[in-house]
Amino acid sequence: SAVISQKPSRDICQRGTSLTIQCQVDSQVTMMFWYRQQPGQSLTLIATANQGSEATYESGFVIDKFPISRPNLTFSTLTVSNMSPEDSSIYLCSVVWEGRGETQYFGPGTRLLVL
Amino acid sequence: LAKTTQPISMDSYEGQEVNITCSHNNIATNDYITWYQQFPSQGPRFIIQGYKTKVTNEVASLFIPADRKSSTLSLPRVSLSDTAVYYCLVGGFSGGYQKVTFGTGTKLQVIP
Repeated sequence: SAVISQKPSRDICQRGTSLTIQCQVDSQVTMMFWYRQQPGQSLTLIATANQGSEATYESGFVIDKFPISRPNLTFSTLTVSNMSPEDSSIYLCSVVWEGRGETQYFGPGTRLLVL
Repeated sequence: LAKTTQPISMDSYEGQEVNITCSHNNIATNDYITWYQQFPSQGPRFIIQGYKTKVTNEVASLFIPADRKSSTLSLPRVSLSDTAVYYCLVGGFSGGYQKVTFGTGTKLQVIP
């Protein structure tokens, strides 16, 4: 089966700094998404990472805070900018493969703690 | 987007069958029903997906009545390693975007 990896797996950062999270898939995918999961909570969709164009953000999330890149069909990055302790969460990427039905598959997640 | 309602938590003894029901009254015609399992500090893992009637795989069964306004995930003979949060999702993907929302999930605790 295809592999989805994320880097880093975890990090501890100081407030005011930025962190870029990478999502790598070992085969081309149709769609890629970024989620946030705050401690003890469910998953919230941040944005759809569109290949070759600007990401589409959900209500409550903006590009200045969460810039996203998707330079090709196997890779995407999410940057958490100007971090505050409220940004402490698990960040997950997910992918959908064309022809594999209406199913998204998730990466292992990046656990972020902001001090 | 279809909203889902699940029990917040459930307890079960090892070896028992566990049934988790999800309500989705405003499911749309093209929506699929998908269940995920999530362990602490890990990404959700796909368990099973269905559109109507019954689906079974090596891990679980999914029962969907004719009106599709609810679904039941059935886990046969659970073990301690099945302790996790289970999410029911309704929706799908079209035009490069998703119309799927994660609900609160059901925290299953398997007791020895």
